[in-house]
Parts: sequence; C-alpha cells; structure tokens
Amino acid sequence: AQSVAQPEDQVNVAEGNPLTVKCTYSVSGNPYLFWYVQYPNRGLQFLLKYITGDNLVKGSYGFEAEFNKSQTSFHLKKPSALVSDSALYFCAVRVPFYNQGGKLIFGQGTELSVKP
Amino acid sequence: DADVTQTPRNRITKTGKRIMLECSQTKGHDRMYWYRQDPGLGLRLIYYSFDVKDINKGEISDGYSVSRQAQAKFSLSLESAIPNQTALYFCATSETGLGEQYFGPGTRLTVT
Repeated sequence: AQSVAQPEDQVNVAEGNPLTVKCTYSVSGNPYLFWYVQYPNRGLQFLLKYITGDNLVKGSYGFEAEFNKSQTSFHLKKPSALVSDSALYFCAVRVPFYNQGGKLIFGQGTELSVKP
Repeated sequence: DADVTQTPRNRITKTGKRIMLECSQTKGHDRMYWYRQDPGLGLRLIYYSFDVKDINKGEISDGYSVSRQAQAKFSLSLESAIPNQTALYFCATSETGLGEQYFGPGTRLTVT
C-alpha cells in the first residue's frame, strides 16, 4: 500500500539554525515526491518535487530536499531558518496512474515553528 | 494561488442541508481535484476529473458528488450535509500527471 509518514507533528528551530522536516514513503514503482507548505488561512503552496535525477532537489524560498532511495526518505531542509518559515509542511507521493489517476497521498503534516 | 479560486471561503450549514462548493481556475489545466483536510490526517482525495467528460471517485467520495461544468469549473456538492463533513476543503489543478498540483485557498465548512 502507498503511504507517506511525517514522524514529527512539530519541529521547533531557532532562527538562523538549519532545519529538517522528515518524510518517509512507501510506494510501488518509482516514487514521485512533493513538498508543500501551508500558511494560516491559505491553500497549499508547492515547494519542490523529485521525479528523477539528482538526489538533492532545490525549491522555492531556499528549501531543498534530499531523496534517499535506500532509506525511502525525502527530508526537507533549509540551511538557515527564518521566522517567516513557520507554517505547516506536507510531504506527498504520487501513486501510479492506474491507481485513482495518479493521485497524491499526503502525510499528516509537520508544524514548523521558528523562534527569533 | 490566485489562479485557483474557491467560493465560499467559509460556510456554516445545518445537518441535512444541501450545499455546493465551487472552484474556478484560470491556469488552463485539464486536471482538477477536490480534497478535504482534517487535523492530523493530511489531505484526502474526494473526486478528480481529467476533463469535462471524465469524473472519478477518490478515496472518500461517499456523501459527495461533483460536476465539471467546464474546463475551468469543478463543483463539489454535499447532498445532505452531516457533522462529520465539517472540514477544510481544497480544490486543486494540475497540467499533467507528473506535475505539481496548484491549490485554491480552501473553503472552511462547518456542519452543525
């Protein structure tokens, strides 16, 4: 069965420190992985995706994610956190097309809090 | 994303009432989706459509119906609302099967 797990409900980081938001996945076939961010009272915004190629993917707002096939992980990272990065982050995996049209399966979300 | 709009943004309704949530997009995408978000559960797919003539159930379609009036419009209906349909509802679009999805701002629905 396809699934995504975000093991931490909340991550607390001091401004200027590096941050990591963890994500592991289980999917048949090649994984197509995504990170989204949700600010209060807003829809989800796309940050980055891994389809194929380099294991380190760079995205919006200085975020990057590292794909690790052996550990089935796709952790989101940023070298220096900003208070404005505080938000809810979702990892998602796209299932094969024959399964409900290639829908996205989302993790439960991780609340990132960056303190000054 | 301003290219995907949802109306209403907030709605309170009573059990048993019929309600329609609307989604419009100016991105020109063929694929449209309806999700609901519940705390601690992430987003779950309700219905999806690949074009005006192609509508499919998602993982939690019971109690919901949809209408794809045009490429740009995809509506979600609750024929007889119940309290456990209280949630945040999102519409999304994508250009291709491998592309990212673009989300609307969401509709917060409360069923009393």
